Amino acid sequence: GAGVSQSPRYKVAKRGQDVALRCDPISGHVSLFWYQQALGQGPEFLTYFQNEAQLDKSGLPSDRFFAERPEGSVSTLKIQRTQQEDSAVYLCASSRTAGGGVWNIQYFGAGTRLSVL
Amino acid sequence: AQSVTQPDIHITVSEGASLELRCNYSYGATPYLFWYVQSPGQGLQLLLKYFSGDTLVQGIKGFEAEFKRSQSSFNLRKPSVHWSDAAEYFCAVGEAGNTGKLIFGQGTTLQVKP
Repeated sequence: GAGVSQSPRYKVAKRGQDVALRCDPISGHVSLFWYQQALGQGPEFLTYFQNEAQLDKSGLPSDRFFAERPEGSVSTLKIQRTQQEDSAVYLCASSRTAGGGVWNIQYFGAGTRLSVL
Repeated sequence: AQSVTQPDIHITVSEGASLELRCNYSYGATPYLFWYVQSPGQGLQLLLKYFSGDTLVQGIKGFEAEFKRSQSSFNLRKPSVHWSDAAEYFCAVGEAGNTGKLIFGQGTTLQVKP
């Protein structure tokens, strides 16, 4: 596609609900990242996929957070039993190659703003 | 641990004035450095990047940045600011390892006065 697409753009959840956030990366991009951006803060890394393999999930804040990319393209970030502190913008990014290096320029989607009431 | 510091949370400049946004990083090896801009409701757009070579890099929208290893800095500059430059600016360092994940600063909000 032309860019990274995320849906929904906005999500309101009641505390305790489960939510699923979707990311469509740029076609053919190997790497996919999820970041969490709290209000007034810079994005913080959550997890990284290289194709369908989740190689780094060190940034996931708790076991309520789960991400998958089963076919190496679309990814879903799932948050179970949402809590108020989960309220943030969730950004997805993709890059053409694997890992760090000269060509690893990340392209970001517009994000999903999650509000937990 | 790697980190990025943007000392100025909020900056206001007059339209047509010059701009400098500060960024300091902490990284053990040669860093990959980026500046991104985020407008309200939008994703992050890459302004410019530094990987190696010439320490003065040019980006889009008339922005440039200078890498200074001795000062661990990568400051963003623009000679003449336009009202459309009002946005939030993020400096980031890329991890040159297995993932290439980005570590962001807190961001600087730029307000432009007419």
